[in-house]
Amino acid sequence: EAQVTQNPRYLITVTGKKLTVTCSQNMNHEYMSWYRQDPGLGLRQIYYSMNVEVTDKGDVPEGYKVSRKEKRNFPLILESPSPNQTSLYFCASSPGNQPQHFGDGTRLSIL
Amino acid sequence: SQQGEEDPQALSIQEGENATMNCSYKTSINNLQWYRQNSGRGLVHLILIRSNEREKHSGRLRVTLDTSKKSSSLLITASRAADTASYFCATDGYGQNFVFGPGTRLSVLP
Repeated sequence: EAQVTQNPRYLITVTGKKLTVTCSQNMNHEYMSWYRQDPGLGLRQIYYSMNVEVTDKGDVPEGYKVSRKEKRNFPLILESPSPNQTSLYFCASSPGNQPQHFGDGTRLSIL
Repeated sequence: SQQGEEDPQALSIQEGENATMNCSYKTSINNLQWYRQNSGRGLVHLILIRSNEREKHSGRLRVTLDTSKKSSSLLITASRAADTASYFCATDGYGQNFVFGPGTRLSVLP
């Protein structure tokens, strides 16, 4: 089944403790992206990647890192999480300039 | 950056009625997409309209695009309770940087 898989789905952690949210897709898509969703603000793009070893900043990249060493994986790294990064995060992939397939989301709470 | 912005923020209608949502954006685009999100779940793609297209249909969905006004509309005909969800438009320019609007919350009452 074609899918985008995010892990974990839920995480409660504390300020400053490094965390990684994994994202994997099985559709051989070149394009992958991370978004955060906050009430009233819709989805805001954090980082995106057009192919292996190519990443670009979205609208809200501060406090986040990404890497794209393999086509299928696009992890989101929070080196020193802060409470303002509490949010619902989505990973998405697509074959180039085409509709995106979204994962089910990761709800992060940073205390 | 370009920004999709939906209008209205919330819409409540009776089953069987039509629902219309609008989206405005600020800069030139390659295409505009509409997505649907059920509460707390991932977004599901509904329809994509390219910048050189003016109207597109998919089942009960009709999307229009007016690039001179930088606006798009999504019409859902003969709505059902199962259409209750949030609807987002997303635009992309020339760098695969997608921008989503804040969404329209649609409630379809039985």
